[in-house]
Amino acid sequence: DGGITQSPKYLFRKEGQNVTLSCEQNLNHDAMYWYRQDPGQGLRLIYYSQIVNDFQKGDIAEGYSVSREKKESFPLTVTSAQKNPTAFYLCASSRPRAGDTEAFFGQGTRLTVV
Amino acid sequence: AQKVTQAQTEISVVEKEDVTLDCVYETRDTTYYLFWYKQPPSGELVFLIRRNSFDEQNEISGRYSWNFQKSTSSFNFTITASQVVDSAVYFCALSAYHTGGFKTIFGAGTRLFVKA
Repeated sequence: DGGITQSPKYLFRKEGQNVTLSCEQNLNHDAMYWYRQDPGQGLRLIYYSQIVNDFQKGDIAEGYSVSREKKESFPLTVTSAQKNPTAFYLCASSRPRAGDTEAFFGQGTRLTVV
Repeated sequence: AQKVTQAQTEISVVEKEDVTLDCVYETRDTTYYLFWYKQPPSGELVFLIRRNSFDEQNEISGRYSWNFQKSTSSFNFTITASQVVDSAVYFCALSAYHTGGFKTIFGAGTRLFVKA
């Protein structure tokens, strides 16, 4: 079945450590996105990528990094520079042609930094 | 700059009541897309509807209907005869093309409780 896979579902890390969240899609979508969800704040865009080897900062990119070496994969690294990393992270993909831009979401990774 | 406002943080209704979720957006783009997504307790967002900026036709899908009005920059979502399974967080979103690709932003969401 086609879809987006995020792993792991739950992740615990010590403060000061970098951590990488995985996102893989087999939908053949060009665009991929990372969002952060905090209670009462909806989804905020961290990074997005239209094509391989290219990505753009979203509204809250500070303290995060991404790579897009393959069309199917868009891993997100939460660095030690991110001051409040505990949150629910959602990855999405879409096929960005005119009139066909709805996003498909993964099940999310809940990151807790202790 | 793009912005999506969902002023209703939480709504509680009794089963079979109708409920409308409000969405107001801001954008300078002339071509844009509006969406509604549902987030059940499992966490994964589920796409409900997409509208482009040139199509102001209202749409009905079963118990769901959407009212898009460019004049008031609103894209409201109505559930008729609500059911307990409708309980979820609902997000309105706005997407437009910017350098590097489509940028989609979301409102803060409205949590809907439907009581039996």
